[in-house]
Amino acid sequence: DAGVIQSPRHEVTEMGQEVTLRCKPISGHNSLFWYRQTMMRGLELLIYFNNNVPIDDSGMPEDRFSAKMPNASFSTLKIQPSEPRDSAVYFCASSLSGQETQYFGPGTRLLVL
Amino acid sequence: ELKVEQNPLFLSMQEGKNYTIYCNYSTTSDRLYWYRQDPGKSLESLFVLLSNGAVKQEGRLMASLDTKARLSTLHITAAVHDLSATYFCAVDPDFGNEKLTFGTGTRLTIIP
Repeated sequence: DAGVIQSPRHEVTEMGQEVTLRCKPISGHNSLFWYRQTMMRGLELLIYFNNNVPIDDSGMPEDRFSAKMPNASFSTLKIQPSEPRDSAVYFCASSLSGQETQYFGPGTRLLVL
Repeated sequence: ELKVEQNPLFLSMQEGKNYTIYCNYSTTSDRLYWYRQDPGKSLESLFVLLSNGAVKQEGRLMASLDTKARLSTLHITAAVHDLSATYFCAVDPDFGNEKLTFGTGTRLTIIP
């Protein structure tokens, strides 16, 4: 079975540029989560969707961050404009509501210069 | 605000020894998760603990949950090098919400 798929795996960009991260959840899962991991702040939940609807976006740092889930098999996290402090590993995870475990993707390592 | 604290943050231990990682959390919850992360890799689910007194074991790892004390432990028995990784606990304080708050992580290094 294919796990959670994220792309790109690595992204290097310059400050001010737009960055789009992509995620394909496990087929059949109806909850999707975006996390950010940094040395300073650890693992933080940014936003999560249930049945393609954003449920909680209280972790989104600021208006420069936006996330969408246009259908059950695809989600994007966009940063516009990007800043050096956005450098982190961004993980997408999915789960089947009521079955507890969140399955994490491989992550996108973002470096903003 | 929910706080999830792990200790120790760093643990270096010899192969064959036993040790315990502690996870304390600040609010009522009946659901606690343990994950493992290898350097540069993703997170892998280890255990899901869903009730007070729950105990789960897989190989040399055993996790338990005491909801009254707001404490979970991850016990390592006769450590081997392959267990070297960072271990995270995570708490879901609102039943059915699925919003996890992760602990700081414990970086475990097993020395031959």
